[in-house]
Amino acid sequence: GENVEQHPSTLSVQEGDSAVIKCTYSDSASNYFPWYKQELGKGPQLIIDIRSNVGEKKDQRIAVTLNKTAKHFSLHITETQPEDSAVYFCAASTSGTYKYIFGTGTRLKVLA
Amino acid sequence: GAVVSQHPSRVICKSGTSVKIECRSLDFQATTMFWYRQFPKQSLMLMATSNEGSKATYEQGVEKDKFLINHASLTLSTLTVTSAHPEDSSFYICSASHRGSLGYTFGSGTRLTVV
Repeated sequence: GENVEQHPSTLSVQEGDSAVIKCTYSDSASNYFPWYKQELGKGPQLIIDIRSNVGEKKDQRIAVTLNKTAKHFSLHITETQPEDSAVYFCAASTSGTYKYIFGTGTRLKVLA
Repeated sequence: GAVVSQHPSRVICKSGTSVKIECRSLDFQATTMFWYRQFPKQSLMLMATSNEGSKATYEQGVEKDKFLINHASLTLSTLTVTSAHPEDSSFYICSASHRGSLGYTFGSGTRLTVV
């Protein structure tokens, strides 16, 4: 079955700097990769996603890149702000299964 | 956008009692809902897939008789933790599939504490 690894587990950056979180997946059939932000005591919120037919997607300060050959995908946050501090999860999914396999999470701290 | 409401947000119960958690899709019909469990500082683990009008599909290792799932309508799925024990204390989160979208919307979660 699918296995998703996520690194780093914790990440501290200075406000204004960029943050990069990386995930790898094992199942070449996976074709949808969402990223979720989870604040303390709350459910995850979708912040950006990418399908396997696209190499990069950007939404303001957030971007996601996908390398299908290497089975890597990454989240990039530019001009980080204190409110970006949260736990971020990547996930992989295969169409038809409806299942998400989540990464282990990255705790991002943006230092003011 | 799609909204999923989950209640209660927090519940404390005594060992041996049962607790019901509700997950509602407020502005869309959800033929499929998912239930996750999350331990502190850990990832989300899928417990079961809830399908409207049929039996839930449980992941390996999840006890069907302990975690009862009912998806009686297109907007409501419930998870009942039966005969709860302290080790069942966890953060339970539901999500719903919006027809035509690959992205799932998550509820706000339920913090269950069994004392």
